[in-house]
Amino acid sequence: KNEVEQSPQNLTAQEGEFITINCSYSVGISALHWLQQHPGGGIVSLFMLSSGKKKHGRLIATINIQEKHSSLHITASHPRDSAVYICVPMDSNYQLIWGAGTKLIIKP
Amino acid sequence: DGGITQSPKYLFRKEGQNVTLSCEQNLNHDAMYWYRQDPGQGLRLIYYSQIVNDFQKGDIAEGYSVSREKKESFPLTVTSAQKNPTAFYLCASSGRTLENYGYTFGSGTRLTVV
Repeated sequence: KNEVEQSPQNLTAQEGEFITINCSYSVGISALHWLQQHPGGGIVSLFMLSSGKKKHGRLIATINIQEKHSSLHITASHPRDSAVYICVPMDSNYQLIWGAGTKLIIKP
Repeated sequence: DGGITQSPKYLFRKEGQNVTLSCEQNLNHDAMYWYRQDPGQGLRLIYYSQIVNDFQKGDIAEGYSVSREKKESFPLTVTSAQKNPTAFYLCASSGRTLENYGYTFGSGTRLTVV
């Protein structure tokens, strides 16, 4: 069993829809990163969080340490949000555990 | 602002040539890392360094070499021994103090060997 599970693996939605990407992990962690990677592009760090909720523009990330679960939400989605979103927990030894990513496509 | 600079963003090399990817950080982070990503795959750890003049092999170190002569710099050399060097390479650094806790990521270098 993978230590990090993201769902869904692929998501296609219409512009304007509310998007939720889920991340579940099986190990104790000290923090969790959400990253964004556009097709053929580089990595952009969206959030690092260890509790509660963080918001940046139309992006919201939440984490529940007790339930070992984090979610990334996108409000009023736009085609430019089309990218791969990667959940990356950081374990208690500061090592990253990479999720496989969720490929999001937003259609106009 | 502090951050990590990877250069170049895109790199093309002929087969059989060594190539060095640059990674510089001004975050005063002790630890630095190199990851590789193949199309449709997750990232895998190549090498990491917890302190200057010391580094450790990750999961896929064969065909790669690194150095850590300065705290700010952690260059990765892709040698001709690497059988499939075409990939996306990501550098990261991490800190553990209150001032610089967590990971910071470079934007990546996409290497194509022809």
